[in-house]
Amino acid sequence: QKEVEQNSGPLSVPEGAIASLNCTYSDRGSQSFFWYRQYSGKSPELIMFIYSNGDKEDGRFTAQLNKASQYVSLLIRDSQPSDSATYLCAVKRTSGTYKYIFGTGTRLKVLA
Amino acid sequence: KAGVTQTPRYLIKTRGQQVTLSCSPISGHRSVSWYQQTPGQGLQFLFEYFSETQRNKGNFPGRFSGRQFSNSRSEMNVSTLELGDSALYLCASSFRGYEQYFGPGTRLTVT
Repeated sequence: QKEVEQNSGPLSVPEGAIASLNCTYSDRGSQSFFWYRQYSGKSPELIMFIYSNGDKEDGRFTAQLNKASQYVSLLIRDSQPSDSATYLCAVKRTSGTYKYIFGTGTRLKVLA
Repeated sequence: KAGVTQTPRYLIKTRGQQVTLSCSPISGHRSVSWYQQTPGQGLQFLFEYFSETQRNKGNFPGRFSGRQFSNSRSEMNVSTLELGDSALYLCASSFRGYEQYFGPGTRLTVT
């Protein structure tokens, strides 16, 4: 089992819809959770981070964390074609080995 | 603030050679991490430096090494290059060791 799992997609949503991206992690010692967006040929760009259970909103983006279920998600409201990219989930654990673990990403396609 | 810069952006090397990549973090950031990104494996953590000390290391062979200077700039070295080392090498800087900000990457091709 991978430490951080994401559905590779592609996830296709129509313009204006809500895109829901999911990520599960295996290490209960994980404490910090991050979402990055990566356009083809570019480097990852930090979108949001969340440390506490619940929801965190930033503009059109909402991150949701459920530590009991070891699940983190990213919702993109009013999806735009410019949101079409690969979304990477990253988990940082500070118990044991101190490092970041990235999922392999979900490719999102927003259809105009 | 200027972002993370990496040099060179593109590099072509031959098997058996060695290569050094450079990363300048965002001003004020003391943590620098390096990653290898390939289509098959995704983003793989190489190592992290904080205040000139390697704080953590991923599961890569000893051919991969790095260092950090007193101005927080970091270099990564790969010796005895193999074809499988062809990848995008990304550097990320962080102020507190939490949120990371990536540079544009160095695309290394080994022939």
